[in-house]
Amino acid sequence: SQQGEEDPQALSIQEGENATMNCSYKTSINNLQWYRQNSGRGLVHLILIRSNEREKHSGRLRVTLDTSKKSSSLLITASRAADTASYFCATAYATSYGKLTFGQGTILTVHP
Amino acid sequence: GAVVSQHPSRVICKSGTSVKIECRSLDFQATTMFWYRQFPKQSLMLMATSNEGSKATYEQGVEKDKFLINHASLTLSTLTVTSAHPEDSSFYICSAGPRGGVRGEKLFFGSGTQLSVL
Repeated sequence: SQQGEEDPQALSIQEGENATMNCSYKTSINNLQWYRQNSGRGLVHLILIRSNEREKHSGRLRVTLDTSKKSSSLLITASRAADTASYFCATAYATSYGKLTFGQGTILTVHP
Repeated sequence: GAVVSQHPSRVICKSGTSVKIECRSLDFQATTMFWYRQFPKQSLMLMATSNEGSKATYEQGVEKDKFLINHASLTLSTLTVTSAHPEDSSFYICSAGPRGGVRGEKLFFGSGTQLSVL
């Protein structure tokens, strides 16, 4: 299966700053999801955006989707030290129920 | 909300032994479950799709005789790593969604199993 690309691979910021992560994918999707993973732990679902949506908000999270460019971005505003984690985008393709293809991930470090 | 329970969370075994990992959907029925593997500092790679009452579908490059999947009921899928070797050491995680869920949207992940083979 094809893996999405994420950038940056690592991001280091100060508390209070905004963090932006980008994800690109290769084929048509049904939806795109963002997950957070703390070191050695399971995945936490953050937000889902469908292919017919362009932007979605959830608390301090803002996700955009550009299907023409096959890309998405995740913005975390007013970051906190507790946001330190790995962030993955995952795409669900129209032809495969429940099967997610994960991006390479961005390691976010928020310094207090 | 829906919960997927995965056990054990951590297992250490000797080379050559087999290890079984369970994935249970606690409050919904799951005809399909998914097994992923994650090496340190890498992304999650889908290993196989577990189908209730039928054979699992394995991704290219995944040895089906090495990673046995059984999905005997609508709430339980198991992954058995047979004759484990150090290179099988990895984080294994399952996901499942309720029947009738909108395509790819209602998915829940287990908390993962860290396998260390000595």
